[in-house]
Amino acid sequence: DADVTQTPRNRITKTGKRIMLECSQTKGHDRMYWYRQDPGLGLRLIYYSFDVKDINKGEISDGYSVSRQAQAKFSLSLESAIPNQTALYFCATSEGQSGANVLTFGAGSRLTVL
Amino acid sequence: AQSVSQHNHHVILSEAASLELGCNYSYGGTVNLFWYVQYPGQHLQLLLKYFSGDPLVKGIKGFEAEFIKSKFSFNLRKPSVQWSDTAEYFCAVSSYQTGANNLFFGTGTRLTVIP
Repeated sequence: DADVTQTPRNRITKTGKRIMLECSQTKGHDRMYWYRQDPGLGLRLIYYSFDVKDINKGEISDGYSVSRQAQAKFSLSLESAIPNQTALYFCATSEGQSGANVLTFGAGSRLTVL
Repeated sequence: AQSVSQHNHHVILSEAASLELGCNYSYGGTVNLFWYVQYPGQHLQLLLKYFSGDPLVKGIKGFEAEFIKSKFSFNLRKPSVQWSDTAEYFCAVSSYQTGANNLFFGTGTRLTVIP
């Protein structure tokens, strides 16, 4: 089994719909992240969490929300999806301070908003 | 805000050619530097990292990178590429001053190796 599992892997939805992307990990890492990848723009940080009670906005948090349900679970929600949220979304984890930024990524969730 | 520049968007090489991918960053403080690789259809994985010490770091699969502080650069190199190196390569930077949790990625360089 993968260390970081994302579901769904692919999703097509319509404008205005609520979408949730889920992420679970077996690494035992405290830190979890959501990134989006767009062609020519690299990866941009949406939200990150250092533990269950700690949630922080990243570069591009507008239009997104997150929930850290447990140490191993971190979900990303689009309350009302819009076409420019079409992208590849990655969940990632990392250890605490000593291993910060050495990220373990999930396989990605490709979202298409029509 | 910190920025990371990867000037080569797409590089095409023949097998056995030498590779150098450029990475420059904008922040002048103490930085942590990374190269991640994304093989076709796979997730990103760490290729190599620099935190401190010897500025020439070696990673997996024969890759290396050199941190040149005066040039704000962390270029990735490989003496002889293989077809299996075809992938997208991302440089990433973080610094303690801007929050070590904030990892800024470049836009990526797509490498195509022709057999």
